[in-house]
Amino acid sequence: IAGITQAPTSQILAAGRRMTLRCTQDMRHNAMYWYRQDLGLGLRLIHYSNTAGTTGKGEVPDGYSVSRANTDDFPLTLASAVPSQTSVYFCASSEVSGGTDTQYFGPGTRLTVL
Amino acid sequence: GQNIDQPTEMTATEGAIVQINCTYQTSGFNGLFWYQQHAGEAPTFLSYNVLDGLEEKGRFSSFLSRSKGYSYLLLKELQMKDSASYLCAEMDSNYQLIWGAGTKLIIKP
Repeated sequence: IAGITQAPTSQILAAGRRMTLRCTQDMRHNAMYWYRQDLGLGLRLIHYSNTAGTTGKGEVPDGYSVSRANTDDFPLTLASAVPSQTSVYFCASSEVSGGTDTQYFGPGTRLTVL
Repeated sequence: GQNIDQPTEMTATEGAIVQINCTYQTSGFNGLFWYQQHAGEAPTFLSYNVLDGLEEKGRFSSFLSRSKGYSYLLLKELQMKDSASYLCAEMDSNYQLIWGAGTKLIIKP
């Protein structure tokens, strides 16, 4: 059982390009999350999904979009990347939403936008 | 937004005990989480407190005081592998996690 996988591991991207970060979990968790982590700041929630077919905006959603077509996959898309989106991106999942379930994290994607 | 405060960095000696403090705003509280994050890796769950008191789990313990908006993580018998960042996170009234910036713990021999 892999848990949560993310791809790519790292990426250097030119500003203005479109990029999709992939996230897949095999734990059949209902809820999934995308965070960004920047030096000196706490993890910040970008978007979340409480269950397949639904998504919601987190603290810093601008410039990002997500979809949740099925339980396992939760891709994050940057429509037109900007340098301020340089960050480490973590996908996470929890068994249920709206409760105090533990969140489990993927290994992260290190994205650099030039 | 809600603020989570924890020290930026702490240093301790192998074999010793260290306490990492965390303060949070008490409105809409639904629990307090601690995660460990080694450099370049994902955060991993350590503990969850929702009631006042101390929860012990091996060498690690976590304490919560809801009235004071205060928690701490206590690490005993420190090992070199405990060198990592420790993240405090509050679950808010919407069941979303609000994260502190993390405390980098440096263990010296």
